[in-house]
Amino acid sequence: GQNIDQPTEMTATEGAIVQINCTYQTSGFNGLFWYQQHAGEAPTFLSYNVLDGLEEKGRFSSFLSRSKGYSYLLLKELQMKDSASYLCAVRDLDDYKLSFGAGTTVTVRA
Amino acid sequence: DTGVSQDPRHKITKRGQNVTFRCDPISEHNRLYWYRQTLGQGPEFLTYFQNEAQLEKSRLLSDRFSAERPKGSFSTLEIQRTEQGDSAMYLCASSDDQGKSSYEQYFGPGTRLTVT
Repeated sequence: GQNIDQPTEMTATEGAIVQINCTYQTSGFNGLFWYQQHAGEAPTFLSYNVLDGLEEKGRFSSFLSRSKGYSYLLLKELQMKDSASYLCAVRDLDDYKLSFGAGTTVTVRA
Repeated sequence: DTGVSQDPRHKITKRGQNVTFRCDPISEHNRLYWYRQTLGQGPEFLTYFQNEAQLEKSRLLSDRFSAERPKGSFSTLEIQRTEQGDSAMYLCASSDDQGKSSYEQYFGPGTRLTVT
C-alpha cells in the first residue's frame, strides 16, 4: 500500500516562495507527480519526477529523493491565481494507478 | 479533441436509486481511470482499463459499483442502490502508454454526486 503525507494548509504572500513537502512510504515506486487543483475543478498536471534531483519548469520546481521517500514542490514568485490545492501522488511499480495525498491548500495573500 | 469529458457534471439522486456516469477520454489514449474524491481529500483510485480490459479494481469498490469500457473508447461507471456515503466527486482520467505522455494522466472535470 501507499502512505503519502503532506501539510494540510500553507499561506504565503504574493511574490514570495512556498515549498510544499511530501513524504511517502510505498510498497513500490514508479514516479512521483504533483497536480494543482482549483476548487471545484479537475486536477491538472504540474510535474513528474522518477529520478533523484530537481526538475524545473518555469515558476514551479519539484525535487525527489527516493532514498528518503521525500519530495517537495517549490512555487516561486507567487501569484494570486496560485491559490489552490496541490496534490502529491505516487505511481505504483507494477501498474499505472496513482495514490494521492490529501492535498495542501495554498492561500496566496496580497 | 480538447480533453477528457464527463457527463453529467452534477447528479442529485435519492438513496436507493441507480446512477450512471459517462467518461469520454482523449481519443488516442488507451488507458482510462476512475477515481473518487471527497471534500478535503485527494482522489482515491477505483478502477482502470487498458483498452476495453478492466485490469484492476480497488477494494473500495463494492459490488454495487460496476464499470465498463465496451469498445475501448468511452467508459461508464454505474452505482446501484446508492447510499449517502457515495456522495463524492467522481473523476475520470486517461493516459497514453506510448511516447512522452505515458506518465501523465489527464483528468476530466468530474461528476459531482449528491445522494439525499
